[in-house]
Amino acid sequence: AQTVTQSQPEMSVQEAETVTLSCTYDTSESDYYLFWYKQPPSRQMILVIRQEAYKQQNATENRFSVNFQKAAKSFSLKISDSQLGDAAMYFCAYTRKAYKYIFGTGTRLKVLA
Amino acid sequence: NAGVTQTPKFRVLKTGQSMTLLCAQDMNHEYMYWYRQDPGMGLRLIHYSVGEGTTAKGEVPDGYNVSRLKKQNFLLGLESAAPSQTSVYFCASVRTSGSTDTQYFGPGTRLTVL
Repeated sequence: AQTVTQSQPEMSVQEAETVTLSCTYDTSESDYYLFWYKQPPSRQMILVIRQEAYKQQNATENRFSVNFQKAAKSFSLKISDSQLGDAAMYFCAYTRKAYKYIFGTGTRLKVLA
Repeated sequence: NAGVTQTPKFRVLKTGQSMTLLCAQDMNHEYMYWYRQDPGMGLRLIHYSVGEGTTAKGEVPDGYNVSRLKKQNFLLGLESAAPSQTSVYFCASVRTSGSTDTQYFGPGTRLTVL
């Protein structure tokens, strides 16, 4: 069965610094999708970034980028120039088929002024 | 375009009471989902639907029922609420059938069962 593991329950970063959140997953499939979602105190789940496994190039969205290591089954999120508004829970998610998304347990990110 | 909406946003029930949570999406999405979120456990899938008139069980379906009579609506019912069902409930939808795409989430419903 597929699993998603986020081993860092909580992380802190100084404003304007860079932080990396870790995510590992387990699957026997070769074609799948990976996501990072942000959940601020408002509870709204917001898509941060999306990676297709067949693409070797790491996805990037402004200050957010991923390090996708397919062989190692690792999908880390790097946030550059951290801002106070980045403080939130971050969830890593995996899907192979649209009816089954697997979420990690989340990492709480604190941004220190 | 409102996206995915959920009604109500908050609810307090007594043990044994029933209620229905409503999820609506205006994006003509095929797939819809109900999750529950508990501290330290991420999101767990309760039920999902791959199209109008169809439903299927997810990871934690016990104590819940669902219906998808219209493509845009997905209802989650609790027939006899229990304190273990205290949680935040999220609805989500996916754009297309037959492909894997990004889930769009509603704002969540915080349910407390006393």
